[in-house]
Amino acid sequence: SAVISQKPSRDICQRGTSLTIQCQVDSQVTMMFWYRQQPGQSLTLIATANQGSEATYESGFVIDKFPISRPNLTFSTLTVSNMSPEDSSIYLCSGLSVGTGELFFGEGSRLTVL
Amino acid sequence: AQSVAQPEDQVNVAEGNPLTVKCTYSVSGNPYLFWYVQYPNRGLQFLLKYITGDNLVKGSYGFEAEFNKSQTSFHLKKPSALVSDSALYFCAVRDVIGSGTYKYIFGTGTRLKVLA
Repeated sequence: SAVISQKPSRDICQRGTSLTIQCQVDSQVTMMFWYRQQPGQSLTLIATANQGSEATYESGFVIDKFPISRPNLTFSTLTVSNMSPEDSSIYLCSGLSVGTGELFFGEGSRLTVL
Repeated sequence: AQSVAQPEDQVNVAEGNPLTVKCTYSVSGNPYLFWYVQYPNRGLQFLLKYITGDNLVKGSYGFEAEFNKSQTSFHLKKPSALVSDSALYFCAVRDVIGSGTYKYIFGTGTRLKVLA
């Protein structure tokens, strides 16, 4: 199974600043996704990170607010821009394992915006 | 669009008793269904999946799930619950977007509490 490392694991940020979350996979994955989760609640898909091209965003999420990069098969970043308290959440990176159809998750990045 | 529903926010069961966490699905075509577990302050962990074949799927930690096409259900089960099984459980379905591209849609989650 793939191991996905995310950092930072948690951060406290000031309103108006930006934070970049990094996601590293230890083996090749076909697709990478970014989700947002309020503690104890369901996951909301932010976008699909596409290698070498612009991410595919879900309704309600835009590139200016959540720029995503995926320069190679095993690495992606999500930036939360111009943060407000409403952005306080857990951000989860996930990767679709080659050949198995199983989605693996990082441990999440817990973001608190003051 | 594909979707899954988890009708129970919380399930309580006594340790040693069998447990069931319910999931129903709505898909066009053949469903690819999954169960994940999330422990506090952790990411989601894959438990099991159904793609095709036997309707009873066995997974990690003694869990299994039964695929029922007529009832469009994919309930998670375990014959004997452990206190350590207490966690948040998510059912998910794979949605085909294009050739080789997918999205994974998650249910609202069910909190399982196993009482000692």
